[in-house]
Amino acid sequence: AQSVAQPEDQVNVAEGNPLTVKCTYSVSGNPYLFWYVQYPNRGLQFLLKYITGDNLVKGSYGFEAEFNKSQTSFHLKKPSALVSDSALYFCAVRASLNYGGSQGNLIFGKGTKLSVKP
Amino acid sequence: EPEVTQTPSHQVTQMGQEVILRCVPISNHLYFYWYRQILGQKVEFLVSFYNNEISEKSEIFDDQFSVERPDGSNFTLKIRSTKLEDSAMYFCASKGGASYEQYFGPGTRLTVT
Repeated sequence: AQSVAQPEDQVNVAEGNPLTVKCTYSVSGNPYLFWYVQYPNRGLQFLLKYITGDNLVKGSYGFEAEFNKSQTSFHLKKPSALVSDSALYFCAVRASLNYGGSQGNLIFGKGTKLSVKP
Repeated sequence: EPEVTQTPSHQVTQMGQEVILRCVPISNHLYFYWYRQILGQKVEFLVSFYNNEISEKSEIFDDQFSVERPDGSNFTLKIRSTKLEDSAMYFCASKGGASYEQYFGPGTRLTVT
């Protein structure tokens, strides 16, 4: 079964420090991986995706994520955190079409609350 | 920048009543989705819709649920007879034909009393 795990309920970092939000996945075949961010009272905002190619993908607002196939991970990173990065972050996966995936059905992790203190 | 919109932002209804949640997807998108997020829990897939028909649905999407794209711009989710456990944030999303990422609306918070 496809699944996503975000092992940390909350991550606390100081402004200016690097941040990492962890995500591991389980899916048949090649995964399509996504990160979304949710600010209070707002919808899910797309940050970045990995489909194929370079394992390090860059996205919005200075975020990047590294796909690691052997560790089945897709951790979200940022070199220097901002207070405005404080939000709820969701990792999601979709199986490729060749392995039972579909045009929909993103599987989400439970979310990690990022708190960046000044 | 185009975005997905949803109305209403908050809906309160009594158990057993019908509700219709409305979404306007991004105009040139072809794939449409509903997800829900019960308070404190994961975002869960409900249904996907393409070419005027349901392409996939989860086990949550039972006979009480239906979707419709009545006029080429709106995409609606109807719950025929609401239950207390239907209380959740409902998100609409859309995706272009050539893209992989889905774009989400701000959500409708449904409260069933």
